[in-house]
Amino acid sequence: DQQVKQNSPSLSVQEGRISILNCDYTNSMFDYFLWYKKYPAEGPTFLISISSIKDKNEDGRFTVFLNKSAKHLSLHIVPSQPGDSAVYFCAASAPDSNYQLIWGAGTKLIIKP
Amino acid sequence: DAMVIQNPRYQVTQFGKPVTLSCSQTLNHNVMYWYQQKSSQAPKLLFHYYDKDFNNEADTPDNFQSRRPNTSFCFLDIRSPGLGDAAMYLCATSLAGGSTDTQYFGPGTRLTVL
Repeated sequence: DQQVKQNSPSLSVQEGRISILNCDYTNSMFDYFLWYKKYPAEGPTFLISISSIKDKNEDGRFTVFLNKSAKHLSLHIVPSQPGDSAVYFCAASAPDSNYQLIWGAGTKLIIKP
Repeated sequence: DAMVIQNPRYQVTQFGKPVTLSCSQTLNHNVMYWYQQKSSQAPKLLFHYYDKDFNNEADTPDNFQSRRPNTSFCFLDIRSPGLGDAAMYLCATSLAGGSTDTQYFGPGTRLTVL
């Protein structure tokens, strides 16, 4: 049972436009959500997170929105830059998850010039 | 800069020959994790240490062992690597390990098994 789903394996966006990456979850006990960015042959880099008590968190070009009723979160990148081309993973944790992050399958973002 | 360091970045070993991967951190975090990641799949947690307390995931093969001699260092030992163990191995740390704790990853060690 996949508790965190990223339904788009890839996304192509024009440079300068907004990139929107989506993530859905099924476990209502999740209370913390994170986005990681991963370049090939490197470890994931933490981007931004949001607690379940918030519905929005912003950090520079990155904004994460959380819709608890829909069990949906999204990462907005604006404006998109060539260096944003990477695989983006959504992850979540719950108080009873014993330190384990539950990961989505990732979305490959390609920024076109 | 405070960080998570993994050595070596690339490791080649022979089938069945023991190998040790190392991780160190300057973040002074309590929790250290080892993950296995294959191709572009999500990372798979192998085990973690909260201080000296070791926690093994139920589906982690016995072939994988870990040591944490002090707060800063953690080692992943693969006793008899098989071809299926070729992967990226990621070390991560977090401050306290609660559900709202952020995990920070090292650059990974790419293991090749010949």
